Amino acid sequence: AAGVIQSPRHLIKEKRETATLKCYPIPRHDTVYWYQQGPGQDPQFLISFYEKMQSDKGSIPDRFSAQQFSDYHSELNMSSLELGDSALYFCASSTWTGANSPLHFGNGTRLTVT
Amino acid sequence: DAKTTQPNSMESNEEEPVHLPCNHSTISGTDYIHWYRQLPSQGPEYVIHGLTSNVNNRMASLAIAEDRKSSTLILHRATLRDAAVYYCILRRLGANNLFFGTGTRLTVIP
Repeated sequence: AAGVIQSPRHLIKEKRETATLKCYPIPRHDTVYWYQQGPGQDPQFLISFYEKMQSDKGSIPDRFSAQQFSDYHSELNMSSLELGDSALYFCASSTWTGANSPLHFGNGTRLTVT
Repeated sequence: DAKTTQPNSMESNEEEPVHLPCNHSTISGTDYIHWYRQLPSQGPEYVIHGLTSNVNNRMASLAIAEDRKSSTLILHRATLRDAAVYYCILRRLGANNLFFGTGTRLTVIP
C-alpha cells in the first residue's frame, strides 16, 4: 500500500539559510500534519491542514510556514535557520474523520543546520 | 488537552505477553485513547485506538477500564521487532492534532 512520502530524506543547511520540506500524503487523505523531533525528544506537533486550509497550530516558530496544495501535498518552509532547528521532521496524513482516523507517518526528513 | 501518564521504561522477554499501562484520570467523554509506537530511526506508527470498549486488531489489544481513567495496551507475544517507544495519547473528537507525551520505552530481551 502507498505510504506517506517525504523529500528529501536528508538536508544539510547553514545558519540563516532557508529550507523547504515536502510531503506527499497517502492517496485520498485530505489532512496533513507536520511534526518536529529533536535529538532524544518526543515528536512535537507543528501544524496541520485540512482541505488546503490550516486546521490547527502547535509549537511552530514564526520563521516557519507551511501550506497544502490543490493536489494535497504539503510543504514546510523554514527561514533564518538556527542550529536548534536541526531535527527530524515528520509528516503524517489521515482522512478527515476527526479523532477516529489514525495518522500515517512518513519516514521523515533529517535536517542538519551547521 | 488531558494528560496521560506512562512508565518511562519496561522490559519483556521475547515471545511473552506485554501489558503497557496508561493512566488518564482527567479524560473527557469525547477523548479517544490512541496508541502509537516509534521504532528506532522511523516515524511513529499507529497501533490501535478506542473510546469505551476493548479493541483488538492484528497488532495488539486495547483494554479500557470501565471508568476510562486508565487503559492497557497488550502485545500478545513480544518479538524483537516490538522494541520501541509506545505512546498513549488522548485525542479529542474533532481535533485535527495529535500531541505526543513521554511514552514507554519497551525493551524486548531475547
